[in-house]
Amino acid sequence: ETGVTQTPRHLVMGMTNKKSLKCEQHLGHNAMYWYKQSAKKPLELMFVYSLEERVENNSVPSRFSPECPNSSHLFLHLHTLQPEDSALYLCASSQRTGGLDGGYTFGSGTRLTVV
Amino acid sequence: DAKTTQPTSMDCAEGRAANLPCNHSTISGNEYVYWYRQIHSQGPQYIIHGLKNNETNEMASLIITEDRKSSTLILPHATLRDTAVYYCIVRDRGSSNTGKLIFGQGTTLQVKP
Repeated sequence: ETGVTQTPRHLVMGMTNKKSLKCEQHLGHNAMYWYKQSAKKPLELMFVYSLEERVENNSVPSRFSPECPNSSHLFLHLHTLQPEDSALYLCASSQRTGGLDGGYTFGSGTRLTVV
Repeated sequence: DAKTTQPTSMDCAEGRAANLPCNHSTISGNEYVYWYRQIHSQGPQYIIHGLKNNETNEMASLIITEDRKSSTLILPHATLRDTAVYYCIVRDRGSSNTGKLIFGQGTTLQVKP
């Protein structure tokens, strides 16, 4: 365990379903991130939250809706996804600014398959 | 963020040192060099980072050239469990932003018995 927990580990959903991915950290970090990793492609940064405020949305389609209710929890709400959205979704956390931290701590990811 | 260039893949014999190069010729003065690795289907794992001095921790050593245009990650005694994709990332850790990590393709290191 890295200190960042993602659930579920695996998810299969139909294109008309609504589901949510959950990320939880108890590292005292105040910034959280969603990344997408498709097969044979680099990680793509989707969303950035700093102090529970969304500070970046990298042109992600509206069928992905993030939510950060507090500094320890991050959700990714999914609806009407497409098969090409099948990927590994990774959550990470970090200290917002400064310090001599070791960068980001990643969770183990949720493997999403859209059928 | 500055761009990095890494070889696509490398092999290393088990027990030998693995030396992974990275070019970052456009790095700016306030950008750090970070290394992460990703073992198959897991989240990336932080390895080490540095600004201009060489750094060492329990996992690896980081050698940064004097002009900071390139660096080398050294795994001193590679094991089969070090087989992974290794990412070299330059990151602005200025106080005004979250210093986001942008990943490239990385180097796939295969450690062989």
